[in-house]
Amino acid sequence: EDQVTQSPEALRLQEGESSSLNCSYTVSGLRGLFWYRQDPGKGPEFLFTLYSAGEEKEKERLKATLTKKESFLHITAPKPEDSATYLCAVQPSTSGTYKYIFGTGTRLKVLA
Amino acid sequence: NAGVTQTPKFRVLKTGQSMTLLCAQDMNHEYMYWYRQDPGMGLRLIHYSVGEGTTAKGEVPDGYNVSRLKKQNFLLGLESAAPSQTSVYFCASSYSTGRQEQYFGPGTRLTVT
Repeated sequence: EDQVTQSPEALRLQEGESSSLNCSYTVSGLRGLFWYRQDPGKGPEFLFTLYSAGEEKEKERLKATLTKKESFLHITAPKPEDSATYLCAVQPSTSGTYKYIFGTGTRLKVLA
Repeated sequence: NAGVTQTPKFRVLKTGQSMTLLCAQDMNHEYMYWYRQDPGMGLRLIHYSVGEGTTAKGEVPDGYNVSRLKKQNFLLGLESAAPSQTSVYFCASSYSTGRQEQYFGPGTRLTVT
């Protein structure tokens, strides 16, 4: 069964304290892996797409990496405005292109 | 560009009442989706559409109907609301090929009493 697991469920960091969020996935084939940011009371906002193992994408303090079993979202020197829930989604290659499997997210709180 | 918009933002229904959630996108995306988001669960697909005039069931379609009469609009209907349908509903859209990241609307918070 296709599955996506995110860890930890919640993470509290001090401003400037770097860390990583994990997204582990089990699919028979990967078309793409997506990271989203979701602020309270809002819809998910697209961050990155990764397609193959070894690929990396960066945006400001965020860097996403991909292996054959998991993806990491590295947050370098976070600021309070990085506080949000980060969602990971996988698009299996063995299903139609409409299918995305979402994890339950990591709630990140960055303290000033 | 407005992106993906949804109306209403909030709604309270009594059990048995009906309502329609409206979604519109201005990015010329072929695919559109309706998800629900509940605490402790990932986004779950209710229905989706791969083009104007076509719809299909997702993971949790029971109690919902949809229509896509125009490419830019996707409607979600609740015929007879139940408390189990209390949730936050998100509409999303994407291209069918190439870059397939989804763009989400701001959500509709629905409470059924």
